[in-house]
Amino acid sequence: QKEVEQNSGPLSVPEGAIASLNCTYSDRGSQSFFWYRQYSGKSPELIMFIYSNGDKEDGRFTAQLNKASQYVSLLIRDSQPSDSATYLCAVNNGNDYKLSFGAGTTVTVRA
Amino acid sequence: SAVISQKPSRDICQRGTSLTIQCQVDSQVTMMFWYRQQPGQSLTLIATANQGSEATYESGFVIDKFPISRPNLTFSTLTVSNMSPEDSSIYLCSVNSGNTIYFGEGSWLTVV
Repeated sequence: QKEVEQNSGPLSVPEGAIASLNCTYSDRGSQSFFWYRQYSGKSPELIMFIYSNGDKEDGRFTAQLNKASQYVSLLIRDSQPSDSATYLCAVNNGNDYKLSFGAGTTVTVRA
Repeated sequence: SAVISQKPSRDICQRGTSLTIQCQVDSQVTMMFWYRQQPGQSLTLIATANQGSEATYESGFVIDKFPISRPNLTFSTLTVSNMSPEDSSIYLCSVNSGNTIYFGEGSWLTVV
């Protein structure tokens, strides 16, 4: 079983819709969770991080964490064509700041 | 946040040669990390570079192939040795800052 799994893409959504990205992880001791956005030909860019159960909102992005279910998600509201990218879920298992990454979900926002 | 600079940004390398990638951070950090992203794949951690001690390598990565230096708290290098086409990847430097983790712009290596 992979440590971090993301819903397989690609995910295509119309402009203005909500894009929902899911991520599950295997290590119950995982403590911090990150979402990165990666445009083609670019390095990963941090969108959000979350440590506590519940929701965390930042602009059009909302991260949701459920440690009991070992599940973290990212919602992108009012999706824009500029949101078209690959989204990487990353999990940190302790205090060492080492990340385990999912395979990524590619999102395409249709104008 | 941390500003991370990597050199070179891109290079085309001959099979069998070695290349050293540099990572410079704009602030002092305890740990620096090196990741690899092979074409179409996600990121995999190569090693953790600690100042004043040897790097710690992840399973599947060895010092002879990926020697790392960490001479001070703002700088690290990763060498990719005896390169083969399978080493064609993006190599990314990463640091933790304020309980989160940032990446440099990456070094895109193509081995021919």
